[in-house]
Amino acid sequence: EPEVTQTPSHQVTQMGQEVILRCVPISNHLYFYWYRQILGQKVEFLVSFYNNEISEKSEIFDDQFSVERPDGSNFTLKIRSTKLEDSAMYFCASSPGDNQPQHFGDGTRLSIL
Amino acid sequence: SQKIEQNSEALNIQEGKTATLTCNYTNYSPAYLQWYRQDPGRGPVFLLLIRENEKEKRKERLKVTFDTTLKQSLFHITASQPADSATYLCALEGGEDNDMRFGAGTRLTVKP
Repeated sequence: EPEVTQTPSHQVTQMGQEVILRCVPISNHLYFYWYRQILGQKVEFLVSFYNNEISEKSEIFDDQFSVERPDGSNFTLKIRSTKLEDSAMYFCASSPGDNQPQHFGDGTRLSIL
Repeated sequence: SQKIEQNSEALNIQEGKTATLTCNYTNYSPAYLQWYRQDPGRGPVFLLLIRENEKEKRKERLKVTFDTTLKQSLFHITASQPADSATYLCALEGGEDNDMRFGAGTRLTVKP
């Protein structure tokens, strides 16, 4: 069964540095998402992406965050200047259409030192 | 303010029994509601989706109900097994922002 893959599985970065988290969604899916989960807390929506543009974003997704689909397969989340509070699991998801179940990757654990 | 509340942080049951998990919401008008399973260190895995015009949905040992008057969904696992032990998340769209929001989850432990 096709799956969403995320790399790296664990990223350790110094505060203030830029970080790029990578995702390969399921190939025939059209909607892409990023979520984060701080340790012990709930899964929080960050952003959705469709037709090469952001369709929704949450209050967490501020100017430090950006997303890109640089080619036909990758979907990336960039954090420009990381803060300690950005430490979390970041999950990528994709779905074949709007209002459809989402398929999640196993996440990137981001640790900011 | 909008809230999604799952009835308990943790639920322990004996193998073979039925587990019932609750999801209540306020200030949402969801067109549908979803249930996901999350194992430690893994991403959520989709289980069931139920639409507002559906009262009940089943898949193997899983059953979901959706009561838009009570603003509540119940998630049942019948004949539970230790392998069902995981955190179960309910998720909604249809709030102020058209994005999917998760409840905090219920951690289910099924004891042999």
